[in-house]
Amino acid sequence: LAKTTQPISMDSYEGQEVNITCSHNNIATNDYITWYQQFPSQGPRFIIQGYKTKVTNEVASLFIPADRKSSTLSLPRVSLSDTAVYYCLVGLTGNTGKLIFGQGTTLQVKP
Amino acid sequence: DAGVTQSPTHLIKTRGQQVTLRCSPKSGHDTVSWYQQALGQGPQFIFQYYEEEERQRGNFPDRFSGHQFPNYSSELNVNALLLGDSALYLCASSPERQAYEQYFGPGTRLTVT
Repeated sequence: LAKTTQPISMDSYEGQEVNITCSHNNIATNDYITWYQQFPSQGPRFIIQGYKTKVTNEVASLFIPADRKSSTLSLPRVSLSDTAVYYCLVGLTGNTGKLIFGQGTTLQVKP
Repeated sequence: DAGVTQSPTHLIKTRGQQVTLRCSPKSGHDTVSWYQQALGQGPQFIFQYYEEEERQRGNFPDRFSGHQFPNYSSELNVNALLLGDSALYLCASSPERQAYEQYFGPGTRLTVT
C-alpha cells in the first residue's frame, strides 16, 4: 500500500478553516484515499473517502488534484471538539479491510 | 443500535500469561478486524475475520490468534505476553463489501507488567 506523509501536528483557533495535506507519491491507480479521526481514549472514526477531484460530506471536504499524489482534508470552522488526531490512509476499497495507519496529524484547536 | 463493543475495558497481566479480548460488531456487520495501538502511534493491523475464517493478517507473530463466532463476534488471544504487548487493542467491524469504512470500538487497554 502507498506510504503517506502528513504533518505531525497543527494548531488552529476556533472558527478557522483547517487544511491538512497528505502526500502519497506512490499511489496506485486503484487506490482510494480515506481519512479517519481519533479522539483520545477512543477508536478511530471514518471521516471521508475519495478517489479524485472533490468530495464533501457533513463533516469535511476532501480535495484531490489530478495527479492524485496528494490530498487535502478541509475542516470548516473548527471548534474545540475537533481537537484530535487525523489519519490519511491510501489503499483499495472493497473487501481488503487492511487499513494502514501512519502516525497521523495531531490537530490542536485553541479558543 | 449499539456500536462496536469490547470487553474488558482495562486489563493488567504479567509477562508470560495469556489474555483473551472480546468484541461484538455493530449490528449488520459481518467482518471484524483487530488492531494494536501503542502509545503515540497509529493503529497497526493484526488480522481480519470474515465467515469465521482469518482472511488477512498483519505482521504479528503466531502468539496472536483469533476467532470469529457464528454471530460474528470475535476474540483476540495473545499467548506468552511480553512487556511490548502493552497497548490499546482496537476491534473494528464493517460490512464485507465496505471494509474501507470500519467502525471501531473503544478498545481494551492491556498493560503487561
